[in-house]
Amino acid sequence: DAMVIQNPRYQVTQFGKPVTLSCSQTLNHNVMYWYQQKSSQAPKLLFHYYDKDFNNEADTPDNFQSRRPNTSFCFLDIRSPGLGDAAMYLCATSRGTAGGTEKLFFGSGTQLSVL
Amino acid sequence: GQNIDQPTEMTATEGAIVQINCTYQTSGFNGLFWYQQHAGEAPTFLSYNVLDGLEEKGRFSSFLSRSKGYSYLLLKELQMKDSASYLCAVRDETDKLIFGTGTRLQVFP
Repeated sequence: DAMVIQNPRYQVTQFGKPVTLSCSQTLNHNVMYWYQQKSSQAPKLLFHYYDKDFNNEADTPDNFQSRRPNTSFCFLDIRSPGLGDAAMYLCATSRGTAGGTEKLFFGSGTQLSVL
Repeated sequence: GQNIDQPTEMTATEGAIVQINCTYQTSGFNGLFWYQQHAGEAPTFLSYNVLDGLEEKGRFSSFLSRSKGYSYLLLKELQMKDSASYLCAVRDETDKLIFGTGTRLQVFP
Protein backbone atom coordinates (compact mmCIF):
# COMPACT_ATOMS: atom_id res chain seq x y z
CA ASP A 1 0.00 0.00 0.00
CA ALA A 2 1.89 2.98 -1.30
CA MET A 3 1.57 5.90 1.09
CA VAL A 4 3.60 8.51 -0.77
CA ILE A 5 3.08 8.21 -4.49
CA GLN A 6 5.12 9.94 -7.13
CA ASN A 7 4.26 10.12 -10.78
CA PRO A 8 5.72 9.42 -13.16
CA ARG A 9 8.65 7.15 -12.16
CA TYR A 10 10.60 8.33 -15.19
CA GLN A 11 10.21 11.68 -16.92
CA VAL A 12 12.04 12.88 -19.99
CA THR A 13 11.90 16.52 -20.96
CA GLN A 14 13.68 18.80 -23.37
CA PHE A 15 16.11 21.50 -22.43
CA GLY A 16 14.10 24.58 -21.49
CA LYS A 17 10.69 22.87 -21.66
CA PRO A 18 8.68 23.27 -18.45
CA VAL A 19 7.98 20.08 -16.56
CA THR A 20 5.84 19.22 -13.54
CA LEU A 21 6.40 16.34 -11.15
CA SER A 22 3.62 15.25 -8.86
CA CYS A 23 3.38 13.73 -5.41
CA SER A 24 0.40 12.54 -3.44
CA GLN A 25 0.09 11.09 0.05
CA THR A 26 -2.51 9.05 1.90
CA LEU A 27 -1.00 9.66 5.34
CA ASN A 28 -2.69 13.02 5.98
CA HIS A 29 0.70 14.41 7.01
CA ASN A 30 1.14 18.12 7.54
CA VAL A 31 4.56 18.45 5.98
CA MET A 32 5.60 17.66 2.42
CA TYR A 33 9.19 17.93 1.16
CA TRP A 34 10.92 17.91 -2.18
CA TYR A 35 14.49 16.60 -2.35
CA GLN A 36 16.81 16.49 -5.35
CA GLN A 37 19.23 13.56 -5.49
CA LYS A 38 21.91 13.42 -8.15
CA SER A 39 23.86 10.27 -8.84
CA SER A 40 26.08 9.29 -5.90
CA GLN A 41 25.15 12.43 -4.00
CA ALA A 42 23.14 13.17 -0.90
CA PRO A 43 19.46 14.06 -1.21
CA LYS A 44 19.31 17.86 -1.13
CA LEU A 45 16.30 19.64 0.29
CA LEU A 46 14.75 22.06 -2.20
CA PHE A 47 11.74 23.24 -0.19
CA HIS A 48 8.97 22.06 2.04
CA TYR A 49 5.41 22.92 2.98
CA TYR A 50 4.10 22.94 6.52
CA ASP A 51 0.39 22.84 5.73
CA LYS A 52 0.11 25.78 3.33
CA ASP A 53 3.24 27.55 4.57
CA PHE A 54 5.95 27.36 1.94
CA ASN A 55 9.61 27.20 3.04
CA ASN A 56 12.22 27.64 0.36
CA GLU A 57 15.85 26.70 0.90
CA ALA A 58 18.18 29.65 0.37
CA ASP A 59 20.18 27.90 -2.34
CA THR A 60 17.23 26.51 -4.32
CA PRO A 61 17.32 28.05 -7.81
CA ASP A 62 14.40 30.26 -8.86
CA ASN A 63 13.87 27.79 -11.68
CA PHE A 64 12.23 25.46 -9.16
CA GLN A 65 8.75 26.21 -7.89
CA SER A 66 6.23 24.25 -5.90
CA ARG A 67 2.48 24.14 -5.35
CA ARG A 68 0.40 22.43 -2.72
CA PRO A 69 -3.27 22.81 -3.62
CA ASN A 70 -4.45 20.59 -0.76
CA THR A 71 -3.12 18.34 2.00
CA SER A 72 -2.74 15.33 -0.27
CA PHE A 73 -0.98 16.76 -3.28
CA CYS A 74 2.24 18.63 -3.93
CA PHE A 75 3.82 19.55 -7.25
CA LEU A 76 7.34 20.44 -8.29
CA ASP A 77 7.53 22.75 -11.32
CA ILE A 78 10.78 23.22 -13.17
CA ARG A 79 10.26 26.24 -15.36
CA SER A 80 13.22 25.89 -17.71
CA PRO A 81 15.06 22.63 -17.10
CA GLY A 82 18.75 22.59 -17.78
CA LEU A 83 21.05 19.62 -18.24
CA GLY A 84 22.18 20.07 -14.65
CA ASP A 85 18.66 19.48 -13.39
CA ALA A 86 18.70 15.84 -14.42
CA ALA A 87 18.33 13.97 -11.16
CA MET A 88 16.07 11.84 -8.99
CA TYR A 89 13.40 13.98 -7.32
CA LEU A 90 12.15 12.58 -4.04
CA CYS A 91 8.96 13.63 -2.32
CA ALA A 92 8.66 12.96 1.40
CA THR A 93 6.13 13.62 4.14
CA SER A 94 6.12 13.86 7.91
CA ARG A 95 3.44 14.44 10.50
CA GLY A 96 4.89 17.76 11.56
CA THR A 97 4.76 17.21 15.29
CA ALA A 98 7.48 18.78 17.38
CA GLY A 99 10.48 16.74 18.38
CA GLY A 100 13.38 15.04 16.72
CA THR A 101 11.79 11.61 16.41
CA GLU A 102 9.85 12.80 13.42
CA LYS A 103 10.75 10.49 10.54
CA LEU A 104 10.21 11.07 6.87
CA PHE A 105 8.23 8.82 4.57
CA PHE A 106 9.53 8.87 1.03
CA GLY A 107 7.97 8.24 -2.33
CA SER A 108 9.75 6.11 -4.93
CA GLY A 109 11.03 9.18 -6.69
CA THR A 110 10.85 10.52 -10.24
CA GLN A 111 13.98 10.14 -12.33
CA LEU A 112 14.17 13.20 -14.57
CA SER A 113 16.19 13.20 -17.77
CA VAL A 114 16.81 16.41 -19.73
CA LEU A 115 17.66 16.08 -23.41
CA GLY B 1 28.64 24.50 7.32
CA GLN B 2 26.84 21.19 7.41
CA ASN B 3 28.93 18.13 6.78
CA ILE B 4 28.05 14.45 6.98
CA ASP B 5 30.68 11.90 5.95
CA GLN B 6 30.22 8.25 5.11
CA PRO B 7 32.35 5.80 3.13
CA THR B 8 31.27 5.65 -0.49
CA GLU B 9 31.27 1.91 -0.91
CA MET B 10 31.66 -1.25 1.14
CA THR B 11 31.57 -4.92 0.35
CA ALA B 12 30.85 -7.90 2.59
CA THR B 13 30.01 -11.58 2.45
CA GLU B 14 26.64 -13.16 3.10
CA GLY B 15 26.31 -14.10 6.78
CA ALA B 16 29.00 -11.65 7.90
CA ILE B 17 28.75 -8.48 10.00
CA VAL B 18 29.40 -5.03 8.57
CA GLN B 19 29.70 -1.64 10.26
CA ILE B 20 28.96 1.56 8.33
CA ASN B 21 30.37 4.68 9.95
CA CYS B 22 29.05 8.22 9.81
CA THR B 23 30.62 11.39 11.16
CA TYR B 24 28.83 14.69 11.23
CA GLN B 25 29.32 18.40 11.84
CA THR B 26 26.04 20.25 11.82
CA SER B 27 24.52 23.40 13.24
CA GLY B 28 22.80 21.85 16.19
CA PHE B 29 21.67 18.28 16.66
CA ASN B 30 18.15 16.94 17.07
CA GLY B 31 18.73 13.31 16.26
CA LEU B 32 20.36 11.00 13.72
CA PHE B 33 18.57 8.71 11.29
CA TRP B 34 19.65 5.81 9.13
CA TYR B 35 17.75 5.06 5.93
CA GLN B 36 18.11 2.18 3.47
CA GLN B 37 17.71 2.87 -0.24
CA HIS B 38 17.60 0.16 -2.87
CA ALA B 39 18.45 1.26 -6.39
CA GLY B 40 15.55 3.09 -7.97
CA GLU B 41 13.44 2.94 -4.83
CA ALA B 42 12.45 5.23 -1.98
CA PRO B 43 14.63 5.52 1.11
CA THR B 44 13.08 3.56 3.98
CA PHE B 45 13.56 4.32 7.65
CA LEU B 46 15.85 2.00 9.62
CA SER B 47 16.71 3.65 12.92
CA TYR B 48 16.81 6.79 15.02
CA ASN B 49 19.26 7.85 17.75
CA VAL B 50 19.13 10.98 19.84
CA LEU B 51 20.89 9.83 23.03
CA ASP B 52 24.33 8.26 23.24
CA GLY B 53 24.41 4.52 23.03
CA LEU B 54 23.24 1.56 21.03
CA GLU B 55 19.76 1.00 19.62
CA GLU B 56 19.09 -2.56 18.51
CA LYS B 57 16.39 -3.62 16.12
CA GLY B 58 16.66 -7.19 14.91
CA ARG B 59 19.70 -7.66 12.67
CA PHE B 60 20.33 -3.91 12.59
CA SER B 61 21.81 -1.78 15.37
CA SER B 62 22.76 1.87 15.41
CA PHE B 63 25.17 3.61 17.75
CA LEU B 64 25.58 7.29 18.55
CA SER B 65 28.26 9.37 20.30
CA ARG B 66 27.20 13.00 20.32
CA SER B 67 30.47 14.24 21.81
CA LYS B 68 32.38 12.69 18.92
CA GLY B 69 29.83 13.53 16.23
CA TYR B 70 29.85 9.87 15.28
CA SER B 71 27.40 7.11 14.52
CA TYR B 72 27.55 3.67 13.04
CA LEU B 73 25.04 1.23 11.61
CA LEU B 74 25.78 -2.42 12.33
CA LEU B 75 24.27 -5.09 10.11
CA LYS B 76 24.51 -8.69 11.31
CA GLU B 77 23.90 -11.98 9.48
CA LEU B 78 24.08 -10.22 6.16
CA GLN B 79 21.70 -11.31 3.43
CA MET B 80 21.85 -10.66 -0.28
CA LYS B 81 18.82 -8.39 0.01
CA ASP B 82 20.85 -6.07 2.26
CA SER B 83 22.73 -4.87 -0.83
CA ALA B 84 21.63 -1.23 -0.95
CA SER B 85 22.72 2.30 -0.13
CA TYR B 86 22.63 3.34 3.51
CA LEU B 87 22.02 7.01 4.18
CA CYS B 88 23.00 8.74 7.40
CA ALA B 89 20.94 11.86 8.12
CA VAL B 90 21.07 14.41 10.92
CA ARG B 91 18.25 16.67 12.04
CA ASP B 92 19.78 20.08 12.68
CA GLU B 93 18.74 22.92 14.98
CA THR B 94 16.12 24.09 12.49
CA ASP B 95 14.67 20.56 12.37
CA LYS B 96 15.85 20.08 8.80
CA LEU B 97 17.06 16.60 7.85
CA ILE B 98 20.54 16.79 6.31
CA PHE B 99 21.66 13.69 4.43
CA GLY B 100 25.06 12.17 3.81
CA THR B 101 25.92 10.88 0.35
CA GLY B 102 25.20 7.33 1.40
CA THR B 103 27.26 4.15 1.56
CA ARG B 104 26.67 1.62 -1.18
CA LEU B 105 26.91 -1.86 0.32
CA GLN B 106 27.36 -4.91 -1.87
CA VAL B 107 26.83 -8.32 -0.31
CA PHE B 108 28.43 -11.27 -2.08
CA PRO B 109 27.52 -14.96 -1.71
